[in-house]
Amino acid sequence: GIQVEQSPPDLILQEGANSTLRCNFSDSVNNLQWFHQNPWGQLINLFYIPSGTKQNGRLSATTVATERYSLLYISSSQTTDSGVYFCAVGEVYNYGQNFVFGPGTRLSVLP
Amino acid sequence: GAVVSQHPSWVICKSGTSVKIECRSLDFQATTMFWYRQFPKQSLMLMATSNEGSKATYEQGVEKDKFLINHASLTLSTLTVTSAHPEDSSFYICSAREFGPQHFGDGTRLSIL
Repeated sequence: GIQVEQSPPDLILQEGANSTLRCNFSDSVNNLQWFHQNPWGQLINLFYIPSGTKQNGRLSATTVATERYSLLYISSSQTTDSGVYFCAVGEVYNYGQNFVFGPGTRLSVLP
Repeated sequence: GAVVSQHPSWVICKSGTSVKIECRSLDFQATTMFWYRQFPKQSLMLMATSNEGSKATYEQGVEKDKFLINHASLTLSTLTVTSAHPEDSSFYICSAREFGPQHFGDGTRLSIL
């Protein structure tokens, strides 16, 4: 099955700093999403981005499908950005679609 | 936007009890629903894929008789943890997809005493 890697595994930032999170995947996909998991376990969908570039406020994401990676940019980080960021990719099987999560990047933003 | 409702949010019960978790797509029809399990400080692991009107497809290592999945309609899938034991304690999350992105429920925290 498809393999998903994320880097870095842990990241500590000072409030106001910028950061880039990376997601590498091993095969062609037709779905890629970035999530933020808050302390209560809720998965907040940040981007649905199987290819191209999207921006939403201080966050933006780019997926280069042909090179099998995606990047999540966080600018002017805030303490509320703390949590775990997951990349998940979807591949199609006969019975539907598999959706595999990466191991996550744990972000801590310090005041 | 698309909303997936998952109930209950928390369950605490005694060992040997069976627990049912519901996952509903509120404003769209989900041809496929997925069930995940997450242990503390780990990623989400896919347990099974459920298609409406057919048997669920389980991932390797997931016991079909322990985790019963029913996808009776295009808006409802249920996960029943049968004869739950402490090692089944975990965070369970469902997701649903019509086309395009996956939409996730808020998860169910299951604690077996």
